[in-house]
Amino acid sequence: EADIYQTPRYLVIGTGKKITLECSQTMGHDKMYWYQQDPGMELHLIHYSYGVNSTEKGDLSSESTVSRIRTEHFPLTLESARPSHTSQYLCASSEEAEGQETQYFGPGTRLLVL
Amino acid sequence: KNQVEQSPQSLIILEGKNCTLQCNYTVSPFSNLRWYKQDTGRGPVSLTIMTFSENTKSNGRYTATLDADTKQSSLHITASQLSDSASYICVVSDRGSTLGRLYFGRGTQLTVWP
Repeated sequence: EADIYQTPRYLVIGTGKKITLECSQTMGHDKMYWYQQDPGMELHLIHYSYGVNSTEKGDLSSESTVSRIRTEHFPLTLESARPSHTSQYLCASSEEAEGQETQYFGPGTRLLVL
Repeated sequence: KNQVEQSPQSLIILEGKNCTLQCNYTVSPFSNLRWYKQDTGRGPVSLTIMTFSENTKSNGRYTATLDADTKQSSLHITASQLSDSASYICVVSDRGSTLGRLYFGRGTQLTVWP
């Protein structure tokens, strides 16, 4: 079981509200990721970080922002939630061993914007 | 265009039966292929990883095969159990290190009935 945590697990919120999805890992991994996953669809990378004070946008355009002030913490923020943001958000961290990267995923946050 | 295609999209089998899931990819260069199991409402968990030189890898009742020439992989589940009900995701990396990019399939939704 990976030591990566996400809160909240479920969130129902009204349009226009600001929300922050929390992600933390205790494995000391430098690289962390945020993915968006809709039912029956593939994971889409929306943000990633190589380490403290490093953040990059992923492949899928997202109105969310992230920060990486501490190694273990990688929160994702939506300034003004919209129904189109309804989805599952998965956080992951990774390590490299024997030349291969292994990603560890959190349990996800299911977001519903009304 | 780098892609990962999985089939079937969904599969229902009876408890105790075997099944095989397919993954075809066009990712190049190729570093490794990983199969993940994602239970409903949870994050993906790695089952197997195979590099270019590996043809088969087992993890308990799960056996993955890789044909790097035809760019095909399969995941065989033996003597299925109810707990095998999940989405199985094929992920291909173009570089093994944390600088690599991951390409996700949409998954095969497996349901095991008693």
